[in-house]
Amino acid sequence: NAGVTQTPKFRVLKTGQSMTLLCAQDMNHEYMYWYRQDPGMGLRLIHYSVGEGTTAKGEVPDGYNVSRLKKQNFLLGLESAAPSQTSVYFCASSSDRLYPYEQYFGPGTRLTVT
Amino acid sequence: RKEVEQDPGPFNVPEGATVAFNCTYSNSASQSFFWYRQDCRKEPKLLMSVYSSGNEDGRFTAQLNRASQYISLLIRDSKLSDSATYLCVVNIGRGSTLGRLYFGRGTQLTVWP
Repeated sequence: NAGVTQTPKFRVLKTGQSMTLLCAQDMNHEYMYWYRQDPGMGLRLIHYSVGEGTTAKGEVPDGYNVSRLKKQNFLLGLESAAPSQTSVYFCASSSDRLYPYEQYFGPGTRLTVT
Repeated sequence: RKEVEQDPGPFNVPEGATVAFNCTYSNSASQSFFWYRQDCRKEPKLLMSVYSSGNEDGRFTAQLNRASQYISLLIRDSKLSDSATYLCVVNIGRGSTLGRLYFGRGTQLTVWP
């Protein structure tokens, strides 16, 4: 039982390049989330999904797209990376059936955009 | 106004000290409450859920005051390994946003020998 995994762990992009971050969970959770964390800003929700085939915008969605084609996977895409997207990205998942609905996080992806 | 506010610290305490963190939340409809711990350059991990009656887990005690919309975390007999950032977290979702959590910016704790 690996929990929540993220690939890659590190990435350096040039401005304008694109990439996809992959999140996978093996806990059969309905809900999945993408956050970014910047110094002094705390965790900010980018997009989330309440089930396979559904996605919704969070607090800071601009510049990102997501897809949830399979229940266990949640992809975060950057179509044209900008230096402002330099951050640590965390994926998380939670169950919709188990109160109090705590979230479990992946180890993070450190992205630098030059 | 942010959904969850907490004192960013830093708190610097000696081993064996007792330290308390506080947090306030703005939405009176909030349903569930947590303290997460985040070590440097690591992912947040659930420390404990916070229940209305208050709950204790070893050296850690969490309290919830719904009337004042206030959550606290007390750490007794601090250990060096307690050094981390502590995140106050609230769930105010219903229906399709049931699982959505709101995070405070975190309170940094350093325990020194």
